Amino acid sequence: EIVLTQSPATLSLSPGERATLSCRASQTIAHFLAWYQQKPGQAPRLLVYDASNRATGIPARFSGSGSGTDFTLTISSLEPEDFAVYYCQQRSMWPQTFGQGTRVDI
Amino acid sequence: EVELLESGGGLVQPGGSLRLSCVGSGFTFGSYVMSWVRQAPGKGLEWVSTLSGSGSSKYYADSVKGRFAISRDNSRNMMYLQMSSLRVEDTAIYYCAKAIGMGLPPSFDSWGQGIPVTVSS
Repeated sequence: EIVLTQSPATLSLSPGERATLSCRASQTIAHFLAWYQQKPGQAPRLLVYDASNRATGIPARFSGSGSGTDFTLTISSLEPEDFAVYYCQQRSMWPQTFGQGTRVDI
Repeated sequence: EVELLESGGGLVQPGGSLRLSCVGSGFTFGSYVMSWVRQAPGKGLEWVSTLSGSGSSKYYADSVKGRFAISRDNSRNMMYLQMSSLRVEDTAIYYCAKAIGMGLPPSFDSWGQGIPVTVSS
């Protein structure tokens, strides 16, 4: 099973700042990585799929990069609604797996 | 607009059974891979099971293999998860999720609101 390790566990930032979230895979997964945002009491929302493709309706301040084992989600300028937990997910092989999450706090 | 709505959750004793349902609308249901993903209280996301659009290909996490069965009825835009031999560790919110694109394993571009399942004596 591919293990995804997200860092940091918590990121404390202010609105307007840049957020950089990392996801590292235990073996190469090419570009088969997605990022999700989850707010308390809500379902996850797809932000980025296949490493760098923004999902429909996702603002341009969200961008994904990386390939192989190292991936990054960047939020260029945090808006108040961006404070949430972010998960990465690999779909390179079964079982698809999720990272443990990064919480972005004010 | 894509909508997914789960039902059938609740409280069940260890060893018991429960069937979850998910109805989809706003898209051609039978053309899409569908999945169940769960989230234990205060924990992260865990993939449970995936079903191809035709229903012929089924995939399960090791943690539920042999106990859970996924199925669908495309004529009714419905997907199901039959859960048997339930354990305390199956307690979670269960999400129905639609795949983006045709690739397998999938990523998920639409999610239901989730349905809680509690396994407790």
